[in-house]
Amino acid sequence: QLQLQESGPGLVKPSETLSLTCTVSGGSISNYNYYWDWIRQAPGKGQEWIGNINKAGNTYYNPSLKSRVTMSVDTSKNQLSLELSSVTAADTAIYYCATHPPRNNWFDPWGQGTLVTVSS
Amino acid sequence: DIQMTQSPSSLSASVGDRVIITCRASQSISTYLNWYQQTAGKAPKLLIYAASTLQSGVPSRFSGSGSGTDFTLTISSLQPEDFATYFCQQGSSVPFTFGQGSKLEIK
Repeated sequence: QLQLQESGPGLVKPSETLSLTCTVSGGSISNYNYYWDWIRQAPGKGQEWIGNINKAGNTYYNPSLKSRVTMSVDTSKNQLSLELSSVTAADTAIYYCATHPPRNNWFDPWGQGTLVTVSS
Repeated sequence: DIQMTQSPSSLSASVGDRVIITCRASQSISTYLNWYQQTAGKAPKLLIYAASTLQSGVPSRFSGSGSGTDFTLTISSLQPEDFATYFCQQGSSVPFTFGQGSKLEIK
């Protein structure tokens, strides 16, 4: 059974780049024709879908964040990465990774999430 | 983007109560609607997908219905472990969007 775990700095300064990693266990990314998603939840707000990537490195980003987002996949490490540039306080959120097979547009499983605070 | 509106945003109920949470889409999404449960500090858990299909391992007291723009999540008889936050998500078109969540608290 797949398990996902996010990791990365809990504090990022304004204007800098947020960088997170999602480590996949219980299976190899290379063996799944899945989409690997990043989702975030700002304090007191609902979830926001950031985008996704597949094992070939094909990406789809939310247009609202597209200019600042970069996702990548490292199949040798079984990891996904998220970079969000030029962060502001509005990017303070719990960041989750999740996954879903093509055409099944529901997320299962999710990682536990990691809180990133943007502050000087 | 498709906007998802949940109601109520919070509710209080007792063990054994029947609870209904609603989710409305800003345009038709057929049955591309999913429900999740989230407790503090834990990963969100998929409860129901495609509007009414129970995810494996989810108790049968949970059920979902609806199509088009209006959907409901029903918990038939609340158990202590059901006090959590529930949110919906549309899978009809990208960008995928979520409801703001409904927090279920013990009365």
